[in-house]
Amino acid sequence: DAGVIQSPRHEVTEMGQEVTLRCKPISGHNSLFWYRQTMMRGLELLIYFNNNVPIDDSGMPEDRFSAKMPNASFSTLKIQPSEPRDSAVYFCASSFRRGGGYEQYFGPGTRLTVT
Amino acid sequence: AQTVTQSQPEMSVQEAETVTLSCTYDTSESDYYLFWYKQPPSRQMILVIRQEAYKQQNATENRFSVNFQKAAKSFSLKISDSQLGDAAMYFCAYRRAETGGGADGLTFGKGTHLIIQP
Repeated sequence: DAGVIQSPRHEVTEMGQEVTLRCKPISGHNSLFWYRQTMMRGLELLIYFNNNVPIDDSGMPEDRFSAKMPNASFSTLKIQPSEPRDSAVYFCASSFRRGGGYEQYFGPGTRLTVT
Repeated sequence: AQTVTQSQPEMSVQEAETVTLSCTYDTSESDYYLFWYKQPPSRQMILVIRQEAYKQQNATENRFSVNFQKAAKSFSLKISDSQLGDAAMYFCAYRRAETGGGADGLTFGKGTHLIIQP
């Protein structure tokens, strides 16, 4: 399996622009998570989906952030408009319910820089 | 809300020695999972070890083992025979047990930067 795929790996954009981050979970996984990593706040859960349905978006910082999962193999995280404080590494992770502890498999992350 | 605390921002150990990374957590749940993740400079998050709260036996994975103290809400990671490749950020993480709706998100500590001295 190719693992969790994220694109782009790096994104540099100007303040005010729209940014879309993409994630393809591992085939067969039914849960998907978006995390953000910054020096100040560490790793934070932004939102997660089970069976394509958003379950908890309480970690989404502002209305400028939105996430969708139109099908089991694709999810997007959008920031509109972007601000310099959104600069961070954004991780996508997926897991499969198999009756015990569900291991979350992380993608390589997208490093976002907003200037 | 659950919180995870790693009180050691940085640790240093000589190659081949043993090092222990500390983690405490706070929760009102009785059933949950605890994890240690490794993040090397490549930034890839790698699962090192997992512990189910209902299991009294401490988890082990080769050179990695944990000391799980449920009453004290403590979950430390011991790395034996440290190797240069162990140098990385280590994150302790908590996840409550599933409630029937599927998987739940992870709550992470701030991390410990582990340095291996050759």
